[in-house]
Amino acid sequence: AQKITQTQPGMFVQEKEAVTLDCTYDTSDQSYGLFWYKQPSSGEMIFLIYQGSYDEQNATEGRYSLNFQKARKSANLVISASQLGDSAMYFCAMKVVNAGKSTFGDGTTLTVKP
Amino acid sequence: ETGVTQTPRHLVMGMTNKKSLKCEQHLGHNAMYWYKQSAKKPLELMFVYSLEERVENNSVPSRFSPECPNSSHLFLHLHTLQPEDSALYLCASSQAQGTGAYEQYFGPGTRLTVT
Repeated sequence: AQKITQTQPGMFVQEKEAVTLDCTYDTSDQSYGLFWYKQPSSGEMIFLIYQGSYDEQNATEGRYSLNFQKARKSANLVISASQLGDSAMYFCAMKVVNAGKSTFGDGTTLTVKP
Repeated sequence: ETGVTQTPRHLVMGMTNKKSLKCEQHLGHNAMYWYKQSAKKPLELMFVYSLEERVENNSVPSRFSPECPNSSHLFLHLHTLQPEDSALYLCASSQAQGTGAYEQYFGPGTRLTVT
């Protein structure tokens, strides 16, 4: 079985600063994908970034980067130059290749302060 | 319409009512999902359909009945619900799983209140 752990229920960051949201995962499978999603207060979950288990480079998408440390089974999300619109709940998720479902963490609520 | 749409956005129903939630995806995906998100609880996967076949039923009570008539549409039929079923119901779609691990695209959700 897969498990995702997000140890930070809530985080605060000053506008324009960088912030790291932690995610550790547990699986015995070798082929899997790791994902981060953002959920604003409106409710819709928005896909942010993906990292494959065999990818050697850390994934980046604009201001988002994924700090992938396979040996430690961690997949932290780094948001650079935080904006007020980044205030939301952030979910880490993983999916094993050939499995039907994804496993989500409990989420981290990020608040960006002006 | 683009992305994943869900209707209705808000629904209030009594415990004896029957209603249906509708989800439609315009992304050419062939896997669709229903999730339940209750306040202060983790996201719960309810059902997964891949290539129009149900591949996952996560021990969901029979008062929730999914239907996937084609790869673009997904329904969740509701009957004799309980107040604890009040939640945000999210629909998502992705490429069919099996050859990779693909990201999911979510709809805006239906906020359901059972009275």
